[in-house]
Amino acid sequence: EPEVTQTPSHQVTQMGQEVILRCVPISNHLYFYWYRQILGQKVEFLVSFYNNEISEKSEIFDDQFSVERPDGSNFTLKIRSTKLEDSAMYFCASNGASGGETQYFGPGTRLLVL
Amino acid sequence: AQSVAQPEDQVNVAEGNPLTVKCTYSVSGNPYLFWYVQYPNRGLQFLLKYITGDNLVKGSYGFEAEFNKSQTSFHLKKPSALVSDSALYFCAVRDGGSSNTGKLIFGQGTTLQVKP
Repeated sequence: EPEVTQTPSHQVTQMGQEVILRCVPISNHLYFYWYRQILGQKVEFLVSFYNNEISEKSEIFDDQFSVERPDGSNFTLKIRSTKLEDSAMYFCASNGASGGETQYFGPGTRLLVL
Repeated sequence: AQSVAQPEDQVNVAEGNPLTVKCTYSVSGNPYLFWYVQYPNRGLQFLLKYITGDNLVKGSYGFEAEFNKSQTSFHLKKPSALVSDSALYFCAVRDGGSSNTGKLIFGQGTTLQVKP
């Protein structure tokens, strides 16, 4: 069964450093998303991406964040200068079409900013 | 604005008993409703969804959910709980309007504890 994969599973970084989180969505999917979950809290939407551009972003997704689909298979989330409060689990998701299509989530990357 | 409420932080049930995990929602357009389950240190696993049609939807692992438009609820149910059902359950909603980008709004999550 196809699945969304994410790398790395864990990342530890120093405050102010750049991190890139990588995702490989399900191959025939068209819509891509990043969400995050701060420890013990609910899952929060960050950004949606379709047709090589951002279709919606939340207020969390400020200028420090960017997304890219560099090669038609990977979907990346970059945080330019990490803050302590960026520590969270980051989930990538994809779905095949808008409407009722189910979003399938990857296993997540746990980011710890020290 | 869209929102989801899961009023119970934790639900405890004995194995073999029926379980209900509650969810209410608010959305301006037609709601598309989802349940996901999260096991420790794992990602979100899709259980079931309501888009249109029959108000009772059946999903994975024997779970079902009932859409109630008048009460704006989408409670998750299972007739007979298993210890292996113990996990964190999230309800999510998206606005079904054509301009919607697919963004899911999640509830706070409910921990289900099934005791043997």
